[in-house]
Amino acid sequence: AQSVTQPDIHITVSEGASLELRCNYSYGATPYLFWYVQSPGQGLQLLLKYFSGDTLVQGIKGFEAEFKRSQSSFNLRKPSVHWSDAAEYFCAVSAGNNRKLIWGLGTSLAVNP
Amino acid sequence: GAVVSQHPSWVICKSGTSVKIECRSLDFQATTMFWYRQFPKQSLMLMATSNEGSKATYEQGVEKDKFLINHASLTLSTLTVTSAHPEDSSFYICSARDELTSWQGGTDTQYFGPGTRLTVL
Repeated sequence: AQSVTQPDIHITVSEGASLELRCNYSYGATPYLFWYVQSPGQGLQLLLKYFSGDTLVQGIKGFEAEFKRSQSSFNLRKPSVHWSDAAEYFCAVSAGNNRKLIWGLGTSLAVNP
Repeated sequence: GAVVSQHPSWVICKSGTSVKIECRSLDFQATTMFWYRQFPKQSLMLMATSNEGSKATYEQGVEKDKFLINHASLTLSTLTVTSAHPEDSSFYICSARDELTSWQGGTDTQYFGPGTRLTVL
């Protein structure tokens, strides 16, 4: 069965520090992978996605993610975190003909000044 | 581009009443829309897949008669919570899928509405 695991429930980093949020997936076929961010009081915003091609994908707000098939991972990174990056981050894999999203449980990011 | 609106953003109702939530894709057509429920500090729980012109597909454990879904056009899906009770209080989120691939001029990606906070008294 398809599944997405985000091992870290909560992460705290200092502003300006680098960030890596982990995501592992289980999916039989070639996955479509997504990272979404949910800020307090706001809707889910697409950060980036991977469908095929270059395994390092660039997204909005300075985020990037690398697809590693051998590790079934799609980790999200940012070289220097800003206080405004504090939010909930969700990794998801798309499944089926209607592209239903299978979600991870999310990682809550706190940023210390 | 790729904007999804949701209305209302919040609603308070009395127990036993019905509440309708609208989800609209503003700048693209969506044959498929999705309805989610999110509890505080938790991930999204898919309730149903809304298909334009046909019946919705509900996830296991979701009551079809409780959560009525209508997808009457390529830009509008509605979720009606019938005979709402306090346990139905939650944050409801819709998404619309841009089904066109990149070479078709689309993104093949789900875009989300801002959500509706439902409180049933």
